[in-house]
Amino acid sequence: AQRVTQPEKLLSVFKGAPVELKCNYSYSGSPELFWYVQYSRQRLQLLLRHISRESIKGFTADLNKGETSFHLKKPFAQEEDSAMYYCASRGSTLGRLYFGRGTQLTVWP
Amino acid sequence: GAVVSQHPSWVICKSGTSVKIECRSLDFQATTMFWYRQFPKQSLMLMATSNEGSKATYEQGVEKDKFLINHASLTLSTLTVTSAHPEDSSFYICSAPPTATNYGYTFGSGTRLTVV
Repeated sequence: AQRVTQPEKLLSVFKGAPVELKCNYSYSGSPELFWYVQYSRQRLQLLLRHISRESIKGFTADLNKGETSFHLKKPFAQEEDSAMYYCASRGSTLGRLYFGRGTQLTVWP
Repeated sequence: GAVVSQHPSWVICKSGTSVKIECRSLDFQATTMFWYRQFPKQSLMLMATSNEGSKATYEQGVEKDKFLINHASLTLSTLTVTSAHPEDSSFYICSAPPTATNYGYTFGSGTRLTVV
């Protein structure tokens, strides 16, 4: 079965500091990895996915198959980045998403 | 982009009563809808997958008779919590899978259920 692990439940940084949210996955095939963000009182929304290799709101994530990781990074955190971040994987085209437990990021001014 | 409208956003009900949560796909058709449950500060746990025109698929440990799922049309999926108890209090979220024009999963805004 697929599993997504986010080791940090809480993460706090100061504004302007680099931030890295860790995500590891376990899947024998070729999973599709996502990062979703949930701002306070809002619905989950897609931040980025590994296939597109794009940067959204300054965030990037690289799939490392050797380490089975998909860490989310941003060089200079902003206060508005404070939110809950979920790493998720999908094993088939229209299959379910497997979510990590989420990391609550707080960016202090 | 694709939008899933979920209602109600919050509901308070008495123990023993039933509550229906609706998720509608706006401007697109959703043959599948995923229903999640989220506890405070925790991850989303998949409860079941509804499919238009067929029975829902439930995850292990989820009571089918308690959480009734119906996918009446290509734009409407419902979750009914029957004979609700305080332990059913939670945040319920629906999600539609990607479409030809929207590669991300689309999430409803969630329903906060409180059973008193």
